[in-house]
Amino acid sequence: KAGVTQTPRYLIKTRGQQVTLSCSPISGHRSVSWYQQTPGQGLQFLFEYFSETQRNKGNFPGRFSGRQFSNSRSEMNVSTLELGDSALYLCASSVGGADTQYFGPGTRLTVL
Amino acid sequence: QKEVEQDPGPLSVPEGAIVSLNCTYSNSAFQYFMWYRQYSRKGPELLMYTYSSGNKEDGRFTAQVDKSSKYISLFIRDSQPSDSATYLCAMSGRGSTLGRLYFGRGTQLTVWP
Repeated sequence: KAGVTQTPRYLIKTRGQQVTLSCSPISGHRSVSWYQQTPGQGLQFLFEYFSETQRNKGNFPGRFSGRQFSNSRSEMNVSTLELGDSALYLCASSVGGADTQYFGPGTRLTVL
Repeated sequence: QKEVEQDPGPLSVPEGAIVSLNCTYSNSAFQYFMWYRQYSRKGPELLMYTYSSGNKEDGRFTAQVDKSSKYISLFIRDSQPSDSATYLCAMSGRGSTLGRLYFGRGTQLTVWP
């Protein structure tokens, strides 16, 4: 089975711009979770989607949003980028959300 | 207090050593316990998955969970230079934590030849 894929792998944006990241889960997985990883804060949970519905949300501002499509693929969007949004953004998929999560390689976002 | 505490290290050991990595947690609702390995500039890779208390062995890796003490461990036997990476403990439960993993900060391990 193919693993979790994320596109693009690298992004460079400037402050104030917006960005959309994409995640394709493992075939048969219906839950997709998103995390932000920084050296200072470690891995922090953004949100989780299951069957196109957001079931859980972390403590991030409304500039961070996401969605899931009927084929379980997911996107996350960050609007009005700030320097502090520079991070590795990881998505993980699982069958139902309560079981093992498998991570993609991440999208490294740099905000200048 | 963070929900999951993990000593960030760094930890440096010679090849062949036994490595012990540990995490403590505060949320008694956690039922699923995982260890991930992350190489530099890569996504976390699942190493071990344990449900509730007990031990689980997979090759050179052994995971232990003690729910009464809220303490989990990962042991690596006969460590190899290829084991050099950051090790992250993670845990989750059901209900309000569904779909969300709570991570430790990660322990950076270096195994030198």
